[in-house]
Amino acid sequence: GAGVSQSPRYKVAKRGQDVALRCDPISGHVSLFWYQQALGQGPEFLTYFQNEAQLDKSGLPSDRFFAERPEGSVSTLKIQRTQQEDSAVYLCASSLASGNTEAFFGQGTRLTVV
Amino acid sequence: QKEVEQDPGPLSVPEGAIVSLNCTYSNSAFQYFMWYRQYSRKGPELLMYTYSSGNKEDGRFTAQVDKSSKYISLFIRDSQPSDSATYLCAMRVPNTGKLIFGQGTTLQVKP
Repeated sequence: GAGVSQSPRYKVAKRGQDVALRCDPISGHVSLFWYQQALGQGPEFLTYFQNEAQLDKSGLPSDRFFAERPEGSVSTLKIQRTQQEDSAVYLCASSLASGNTEAFFGQGTRLTVV
Repeated sequence: QKEVEQDPGPLSVPEGAIVSLNCTYSNSAFQYFMWYRQYSRKGPELLMYTYSSGNKEDGRFTAQVDKSSKYISLFIRDSQPSDSATYLCAMRVPNTGKLIFGQGTTLQVKP
């Protein structure tokens, strides 16, 4: 597709369950970002990849959060032992290069932990 | 105090009005300033970006940056109901692609 694709669009998880969120960036985009957006708030940075290398994971809230991009294209954000405070929209964005100001966002995955 | 502050609104205006949206920030190292528009249940889409101080115009939209005051603005002329959305300001952390977002301002333009 032409844009950033995220799946699933909606995910309901029971507290303690593990979840995996997928991001398909725009073809050829080197940089990939994950953000977390709580209700009524702006997106907050989680982690950043340049190709397959995870260059910054300073925003990951705990060691329950893990992200990977093994072949430099598709990325997965995994959350282990989900907690209620993990409920949010998880946004993926990609850009041609790290210095490029235009980051294109996907529609997000809305995670609800019950 | 957050690095980027933005009044969440909501802001309600009649169709045709001029809308002014603003953000303040604390990090003087920011050089790239962006405005994103986010419709309900959609991802943010880039509206405009500005490098350093100055104005930039694109159709009905004008972005202004005043680095001396650490203040940025987005003006929307002749606002339309289709402009109803949340507007997010964002700033790029120097030497990275990481963005710091404001809270977002919800705008409603009434026909």
